Amino acid sequence: SQQGEEDPQALSIQEGENATMNCSYKTSINNLQWYRQNSGRGLVHLILIRSNEREKHSGRLRVTLDTSKKSSSLLITASRAADTASYFCATDLNDMRFGAGTRLTVKP
Amino acid sequence: NAGVTQTPKFRVLKTGQSMTLLCAQDMNHEYMYWYRQDPGMGLRLIHYSVGEGTTAKGEVPDGYNVSRLKKQNFLLGLESAAPSQTSVYFCASRPRRGVLTEAFFGQGTRLTVV
Repeated sequence: SQQGEEDPQALSIQEGENATMNCSYKTSINNLQWYRQNSGRGLVHLILIRSNEREKHSGRLRVTLDTSKKSSSLLITASRAADTASYFCATDLNDMRFGAGTRLTVKP
Repeated sequence: NAGVTQTPKFRVLKTGQSMTLLCAQDMNHEYMYWYRQDPGMGLRLIHYSVGEGTTAKGEVPDGYNVSRLKKQNFLLGLESAAPSQTSVYFCASRPRRGVLTEAFFGQGTRLTVV
């Protein structure tokens, strides 16, 4: 079973719009992380939110965490064409697993 | 600081051949991982290691073996390659659970089995 499942699978928006991606997980966590993958490249860490945090900001990124619902969301504000990538969430368990990701396309 | 380095970056194998992929990290991380990613898909965990001398199976371990003889290296072996193992392989490492657990990824190995 997946530890993180992202939703939607694909998202297409215009530059300047906001993009929201969701993640659901199944087990208790200490923290949840979001990663980004540009086409064919390795994943890059974006932001980490601890289980005792409800919201965290980093630049144009806003992450929320609802441990009662075992869900998290990633909001990218004022999107740019360069934000086009796949986004994944992962929990901090030993066997760090990823879902299928959300493929975000930002049209100029 | 090189981070996570995967060797080789590209490889073409014939069915039945064997090979070893090397992942090396210089950050003294305890945890290391091997994933495969097929076109348009997410990453699937093959094997992982929580420390030197220890390994564990992930989601899709069949057809692969691993070894972690040194803390900085995590080797992924294919004993008898099959076309179904054509994929991009990513290695990752991260510090132990309980501290900042950001994972660092290598740039991938593109493997084609013909």
